[in-house]
Amino acid sequence: AQKVTQAQTEISVVEKEDVTLDCVYETRDTTYYLFWYKQPPSGELVFLIRRNSFDEQNEISGRYSWNFQKSTSSFNFTITASQVVDSAVYFCALSEVSPGANSKLTFGKGITLSVRP
Amino acid sequence: AAGVIQSPRHLIKEKRETATLKCYPIPRHDTVYWYQQGPGQDPQFLISFYEKMQSDKGSIPDRFSAQQFSDYHSELNMSSLELGDSALYFCASSSEGYNEQFFGPGTRLTVL
Repeated sequence: AQKVTQAQTEISVVEKEDVTLDCVYETRDTTYYLFWYKQPPSGELVFLIRRNSFDEQNEISGRYSWNFQKSTSSFNFTITASQVVDSAVYFCALSEVSPGANSKLTFGKGITLSVRP
Repeated sequence: AAGVIQSPRHLIKEKRETATLKCYPIPRHDTVYWYQQGPGQDPQFLISFYEKMQSDKGSIPDRFSAQQFSDYHSELNMSSLELGDSALYFCASSSEGYNEQFFGPGTRLTVL
């Protein structure tokens, strides 16, 4: 069975601080996808990144960066120079790789990030 | 670009009533997923459809049913509503062989 653990439940930082959100996953599949989603107070789920299990390259997108380490089953997310608009709940998620029919997402419990001015 | 459309966006029902939520996937997407997110919870997978056939089932109550129609839109039917059904219901769509799911804005159901 798949499982995603986000051990941090709430993080509070001051604007301009860097913050890392941890994600640890469990799966018996050798191929899978990992995702991060942002859920602002308005409620929609905003896609941030998708990473497949064969691609361990770290990725940077503006102030966001992701560190995928298969050896420790972790897919951590760092926000550099945080801003108040980054305040949201962040979900890490995992899905199998199969042709559309069974690619449901398993989400972690989410991390509530509060960025104070 | 076209996104996933969900209607209605907000719905208020009384206990024991029925509700129907609709989802219109992105054009040419053949797979639809339904998720339920209770207050302060993570989204939980309910059910999915691939090419109009049910492809997977999660923790969906027997009071709920869903289907995908010939135009690929999907409906989630919920009967004998309970207070605990109050949640945000997301629909997501994807195309076969491409595992990224695109989420709709959600339907917020409140059961009084």
